[in-house]
Amino acid sequence: EDKVVQSPLSLVVHEGDTVTLNCSYEVTNFRSLLWYKQEKKAPTFLFMLTSSGIEKKSGRLSSILDKKELFSILNITATQTGDSAIYLCAVEGYNTDKLIFGTGTRLQVFP
Amino acid sequence: GAVVSQHPSWVICKSGTSVKIECRSLDFQATTMFWYRQFPKQSLMLMATSNEGSKATYEQGVEKDKFLINHASLTLSTLTVTSAHPEDSSFYICSATGGGGAFGTQYFGPGTRLTVL
Repeated sequence: EDKVVQSPLSLVVHEGDTVTLNCSYEVTNFRSLLWYKQEKKAPTFLFMLTSSGIEKKSGRLSSILDKKELFSILNITATQTGDSAIYLCAVEGYNTDKLIFGTGTRLQVFP
Repeated sequence: GAVVSQHPSWVICKSGTSVKIECRSLDFQATTMFWYRQFPKQSLMLMATSNEGSKATYEQGVEKDKFLINHASLTLSTLTVTSAHPEDSSFYICSATGGGGAFGTQYFGPGTRLTVL
C-alpha cells in the first residue's frame, strides 16, 4: 500500500532557528514528490522533486530527494513567524495522477 | 496564472439537507480535478478524481451516492454532499491539473468549510 510518513508531527522553534522536516514514502512506480505549505486555507505549492540529489531552493527554503532511501527533507533556515504553518509532503506514482499526502508537520515559530 | 476558485468558502446547513460546492479553474482548462477532505489536525484525504465528461473515480470508503461529483466542463466540477450529517462537517478542497505548471502539479482551490448542524 502506498504511504507517506512525515516527521516530526509538530515542531516549535524560535525565530532564527533552522528546521529540517522529514518525509519518507513508499509508492508504486514513483514519479514525483511534492512539498506544500498550508496555513489557514488550501495548500500552496513549494517544490516538486523528481530526481535524486538535486536540491531545489527558494529563498530560505530548500529541499532534496533521495530515491534510493525513499525520503526527502525540507529545510527552512532563519525561520520567521510567517513560516508557521503545516507542511505537507505528497507523492505521486506513474500509474495515476493521485497525490498521496502525509499527515503533515505543524511548525510553530515564536518570536 | 493557474488559479482555482471554490464557492462557497463556507457553508452552514441543517442535517438532512444537500450542499453543492463548486470548483472552477479560472484561467486554464483542467483536464482532471480532485476532491479532498480534511478533518481538523489531519492531512488531506483524497475523496475522488474526476475527468471532464466521465464518471468520477472514488477512493475506497467514499460513498459515491452521498458525494456526487459532476465534472460538466473543463473549467467546472461540483461536489454535492447529499443528506448531510454532522459527521460530514469538514474542510473540502478541490485541485486541478492542466495549469501549465510542472507535470503533475496540482493547483488547489481555497477550500470550503462545511458545518452541518
